[in-house]
Amino acid sequence: QSVLTQPPSASGTPGQRVTISCSGSSSNIGSNTVNWYQQLPGTAPKLLIYSNNQRPSGVPDRFSGSKSGTSASLAISGLQSEDEADYYCAAWDDSLNGLYVFGTGTKVTVL
Amino acid sequence: QVQLQESGPGLVKPSQTLSLTCTVSGGSISSGDYYWSWIRQPPGKGLEWIGYIYYSGSTYYNPSLKSRVTISVDTSKNQFSLKLSSVTAADTAVYYCARYHYYDSSGEFDYWGQGTLVTVSS
Repeated sequence: QSVLTQPPSASGTPGQRVTISCSGSSSNIGSNTVNWYQQLPGTAPKLLIYSNNQRPSGVPDRFSGSKSGTSASLAISGLQSEDEADYYCAAWDDSLNGLYVFGTGTKVTVL
Repeated sequence: QVQLQESGPGLVKPSQTLSLTCTVSGGSISSGDYYWSWIRQPPGKGLEWIGYIYYSGSTYYNPSLKSRVTISVDTSKNQFSLKLSSVTAADTAVYYCARYHYYDSSGEFDYWGQGTLVTVSS
C-alpha cells in the first residue's frame, strides 16, 4: 500500500485545466523532492516533472508541478486528448532506511 | 539517446527464481551520475520500486523485497540483471528497467525500458 495518496480519477474536457493532488507525510514529500510520471495506455512510464516543478526537455509547458508542505500537485492546462493517461507522483521516503515510493496513481480521462 | 531493453523468460514457476537482464545502449552504464534500477507493475495496479545498482556494484533494495532480490551489473556488456527468488503469483507483473539520474541527494527515473511481462504460474 502506497504512502503517497492520489485521487483514483480526474477528468476534463479539451482545453480545461485539471489538477491532481498527491498527499504524503514529513518523511517523504515533506523532506524530499517530488517527481511525476505519465503512463500512456500500454506503454512504460515517462518522466513528466522532476524536482517538484522542473520539466524535462520535450515536455509541454501545459504540465506544471508544485509542492507545499507534505503535498504536491500536478496541473495540466489546456487539456488535450493525448493527455489521457495514468499519472503517478513519486518521492523518496526516509523511513524504513529509505524507499522510493510511487503514488497510488490517477487516471485522467478527456471527456 | 539512451535506450534500455529488458529480456528474460515470460513464465516462471512458483518457488523458482525470476531472472531478467536489461541491456543499455546509447550510453555507458559506467557513467557516474546514474543508478540502474528495476521497477515492477502488477497487472492493473501501481508501480513498485525494486532496487538499483551503481556501476561499481553497490546496491540498494526495497526493504520489503530485500530478502529475495539480487541486482548485479556487467559493465563489459553494458547490462544489469535482476534475480527474484521464491516467486509466487503475487510477483506476476510487468518488470521495467530504468535509469535513475542522481544528484544533490535527489534524482529521478529519466529513461525506462518498454517493460516485460513475467507471469508466475505452474
